[in-house]
Amino acid sequence: DAGVIQSPRHEVTEMGQEVTLRCKPISGHDYLFWYRQTMMRGLELLIYFNNNVPIDDSGMPEDRFSAKMPNASFSTLKIQPSEPRDSAVYFCASSGQGSGNTIYFGEGSWLTVV
Amino acid sequence: AQSVSQHNHHVILSEAASLELGCNYSYGGTVNLFWYVQYPGQHLQLLLKYFSGDPLVKGIKGFEAEFIKSKFSFNLRKPSVQWSDTAEYFCAVIPYSSASKIIFGSGTRLSIRP
Repeated sequence: DAGVIQSPRHEVTEMGQEVTLRCKPISGHDYLFWYRQTMMRGLELLIYFNNNVPIDDSGMPEDRFSAKMPNASFSTLKIQPSEPRDSAVYFCASSGQGSGNTIYFGEGSWLTVV
Repeated sequence: AQSVSQHNHHVILSEAASLELGCNYSYGGTVNLFWYVQYPGQHLQLLLKYFSGDPLVKGIKGFEAEFIKSKFSFNLRKPSVQWSDTAEYFCAVIPYSSASKIIFGSGTRLSIRP
């Protein structure tokens, strides 16, 4: 089975540019999570969806961040405009009753904003 | 508030030493429990999980964890570590009442001296 697929794997962008991170969850999973990981703040939950509906976005740092899930097999996390402090690894993860609510992570998108 | 505590932030061991990483959670009801491992530069991968049944759970790569309900603990153990176990280890909990909202501990960095 394919796991959670994220793109791009690495991105370097200039401050002020728009960044779009993409995620394809495991087929059949009905929960999708976006996490951010930095050395300073560790692993942070940004937002999660259930059946394509955002359930909790309290972790989204500010209005520059937005996430969508237009269908069960695709989600995006957008940062506009990007800032150097957004540099981090962004992980997408998914889970479902079929996996016993076990969360499976993608390989991450390594973002550097210069 | 529900939380997961990993009291050891950084553990340094020599090869062949025994390992025990502590994990305590604060939730009085039924929980699903997990340990994830993150090797340097990689994503979080499931090491083992406990849902019900035998409180001693065997995972991959010789790891095991014991659920002690009375102590709200789920400590990770390995009798003899290897240099390749160098990684960060995250304990996580899903309170049964919260559907899939997983709560992660802050992680324990394990360094193995060859």
